Amino acid sequence: DQQVKQNSPSLSVQEGRISILNCDYTNSMFDYFLWYKKYPAEGPTFLISISSIKDKNEDGRFTVFLNKSAKHLSLHIVPSQPGDSAVYFCAASANSGGGADGLTFGKGTHLIIQP
Amino acid sequence: NAGVMQNPRHLVRRRGQEARLRCSPMKGHSHVYWYRQLPEEGLKFMVYLQKENIIDESGMPKERFSAEFPKEGPSILRIQQVVRGDSAAYFCASSQYRGPADTQYFGPGTRLTVL
Repeated sequence: DQQVKQNSPSLSVQEGRISILNCDYTNSMFDYFLWYKKYPAEGPTFLISISSIKDKNEDGRFTVFLNKSAKHLSLHIVPSQPGDSAVYFCAASANSGGGADGLTFGKGTHLIIQP
Repeated sequence: NAGVMQNPRHLVRRRGQEARLRCSPMKGHSHVYWYRQLPEEGLKFMVYLQKENIIDESGMPKERFSAEFPKEGPSILRIQQVVRGDSAAYFCASSQYRGPADTQYFGPGTRLTVL
């Protein structure tokens, strides 16, 4: 039972355009969401996060949107750059008082930025 | 300011042998998490430890796997009598505080291959 789903295994975007990566979740206990970026043979690197009390968080070229009613979040990267080519993982966490402390990850989306 | 360190980076074991994976958290971090990534999958939470305590081991397989985080030294993930299905990348993460508000910083991973 996958509680965090990234339905697109890969996404190809032209350099300079907007990249939109999507993530859906099923567990209504999740109240904190994170995006990680991962290069081959390296560990995931934290990118941006959002609490369930917000619907948008922005950090430079990266913006995360959260739609709680739809249990959906998305990561927007604009403009996309060649160095953005990587696997992006969506992760979720439940309230520490009511759930495990470990993160629940999606399977990842491989973003390819084409010149 | 060193990040999370894991060693070895690559480990090859024959079926039935033991595997020991080590993780040194970031300086000032006392919370350690272990995750496993099987091929073509996302990261799966295994166990969460603080110094000398296992806080949450809900993701650990019931047999052959154990973890510790002693007062001195790195955290150790131990897999006894390894089988081919244990071949995966094992990531350790650390955080300064407990709870979803903090992010977990990941190490580069140990890639275990069981022959």
